[in-house]
Amino acid sequence: GENVEQHPSTLSVQEGDSAVIKCTYSDSASNYFPWYKQELGKGPQLIIDIRSNVGEKKDQRIAVTLNKTAKHFSLHITETQPEDSAVYFCAAARDAGGTSYGKLTFGQGTILTVHP
Amino acid sequence: DVKVTQSSRYLVKRTGEKVFLECVQDMDHENMFWYRQDPGLGLRLIYFSYDVKMKEKGDIPEGYSVSREKKERFSLILESASTNQTSMYLCASSPGGGSEQYFGPGTRLTVT
Repeated sequence: GENVEQHPSTLSVQEGDSAVIKCTYSDSASNYFPWYKQELGKGPQLIIDIRSNVGEKKDQRIAVTLNKTAKHFSLHITETQPEDSAVYFCAAARDAGGTSYGKLTFGQGTILTVHP
Repeated sequence: DVKVTQSSRYLVKRTGEKVFLECVQDMDHENMFWYRQDPGLGLRLIYFSYDVKMKEKGDIPEGYSVSREKKERFSLILESASTNQTSMYLCASSPGGGSEQYFGPGTRLTVT
């Protein structure tokens, strides 16, 4: 089955700096890579995703890059703000359809702290 | 907005008790999932269901069972709770053919 490794486990930055979280996956058939943000006391929420036919995707201050050959993908947050402080999870899946049902395999999580 | 609700935010049970965790979604989603979340281990899939009365084992099904009698409701059952089942339990749902999962707020279960 799929295995997703996420690094670093904790990341501390100053407000305004950039933050980068990296993930690697093992199943070359995976084609969907979402990133979730979990704030304190809440369930994870999707913030951005990328499919394997795209190398990069941006949404305001966040971006995700995908390298299919190396089987790794990264989350980039620019101009970090204190409200970006949360736990971030990467995940990988074969797109829903057939018998995959969109099952996600998650990384271990990264605790991001943005200091004012 | 999609809403996924879980019956309890916090639960304390004794070893050997039977525990029911309930999850309800209001978006007519076909797929529902139960995860447990532990520090350093991320979210691990316990069971999922792709239709009423249908269920599939995830990565860590041992010690758990599930029930889906209605489309909107997915229950996780701990037949005989043990201390190693102390964890945060998260329920999620997704539409058929869609991959984005919508999560509930979680239930923090403590087994003493």
